[in-house]
Amino acid sequence: DTEVTQTPKHLVMGMTNKKSLKCEQHMGHRAMYWYKQKAKKPPELMFVYSYEKLSINESVPSRFSPECPNSSLLNLHLHALQPEDSALYLCASSQTADWRYQTQYFGPGTRLLVL
Amino acid sequence: GQQVMQIPQYQHVQEGEDFTTYCNSSTTLSNIQWYKQRPGGHPVFLIQLVKSGEVKKQKRLTFQFGEAKKNSSLHITATQTTDVGTYFCAGPGGAQKLVFGQGTRLTINP
Repeated sequence: DTEVTQTPKHLVMGMTNKKSLKCEQHMGHRAMYWYKQKAKKPPELMFVYSYEKLSINESVPSRFSPECPNSSLLNLHLHALQPEDSALYLCASSQTADWRYQTQYFGPGTRLLVL
Repeated sequence: GQQVMQIPQYQHVQEGEDFTTYCNSSTTLSNIQWYKQRPGGHPVFLIQLVKSGEVKKQKRLTFQFGEAKKNSSLHITATQTTDVGTYFCAGPGGAQKLVFGQGTRLTINP
């Protein structure tokens, strides 16, 4: 099973809402990532979890809060977002975060619209 | 931080024509990866190149890693409509990070 799943597929939220994005993989990977992708742009790294610990936060605003409950799950909690946060949010996983094993498997993404 | 420059930004070809996208880095890369993202889809891993001068082929796709490990290319022979999408190269951007090039968006006239 080389699949990374993400829910929901689409999300519309107001600026005062709280919502969560979920990501799951069952490949035994120990590194998981959140990316943000705007239209016609490359994925932009937000967070890296390595062995369930947050190892990289790319200066992401605190209205985005990641969580890694276990080695298979990754959440992204959203609160008080801005319209400019509307984007495709991609989760990815790799065997480890070491570059030699860093082939990344991406989920289908959550298309987020903030009104 | 580490940057990977990719050109061209867009390429439109007639079906059956060849296509090439190029990636360049100002520093030596330990490896480079290539991903394809179909319209409305998500990035899908194609290949990883590690060795200086490495050439790998996948059917009509040929991937090269430069001798100095600072550049790479993806060449598609005789494009088909299924090749439509955006092709990204990605290199290490420091420990535990991948940095993606800007991507080359390929469109094909059938």
